Amino acid sequence: AQSVTQLDSHVSVSEGTPVLLRCNYSSSYSPSLFWYVQHPNKGLQLLLKYTSAATLVKGINGFEAEFKKSETSFHLTKPSAHMSDAAEYFCVVTGGYQKVTFGTGTKLQVIP
Amino acid sequence: GAVVSQHPSRVICKSGTSVKIECRSLDFQATTMFWYRQFPKKSLMLMATSNEGSKATYEQGVEKDKFLINHASLTLSTLTVTSAHPEDSSFYICSASQREPRDNEQFFGPGTRLTVL
Repeated sequence: AQSVTQLDSHVSVSEGTPVLLRCNYSSSYSPSLFWYVQHPNKGLQLLLKYTSAATLVKGINGFEAEFKKSETSFHLTKPSAHMSDAAEYFCVVTGGYQKVTFGTGTKLQVIP
Repeated sequence: GAVVSQHPSRVICKSGTSVKIECRSLDFQATTMFWYRQFPKKSLMLMATSNEGSKATYEQGVEKDKFLINHASLTLSTLTVTSAHPEDSSFYICSASQREPRDNEQFFGPGTRLTVL
């Protein structure tokens, strides 16, 4: 069995301040973990992925995430938020037989 | 690379009619394609998984006779919403995973907004 928990449904930050979006997972297999971003009425865009290589993963637009097995976490961070980062972010885990589980999403609001 | 397209991007239909949505992998062969449904302000709900040349595997609670999935080739899967009703109005997103690398990454289409009047 596997699951994903995004701890915050809504995060609000000021422009230029750091972003932290939290994600915890559970999986019976060695998981692959992903962060996707979805802008309003748009499809999903891959930000970054962890697939058992380096635990610190760098993605697009300055985002990065660290896979911490001991904490079963894969939090998404960015040093300085930009207005264009305002969107919905989904943490995703895939395990055996390509079973895919989406988190419930975190809406990021960036305040000017 | 790894681009997935969906057609149409937006469709409005009358209640009782059927609607077909296409999902294509443009530059890779998709061993597996997935269909999701997203309700307003909600996460994605996996509807079904399809492998080329075989029957789709539907998630619990998804009516397979209502949501017909055909994965006829390694680059094309279709979702047909039969006898659509207003409650079927939603955002439908497909994704595809490629043969190599086998890292379970899914490439998502841009989605199709279905409105049933």
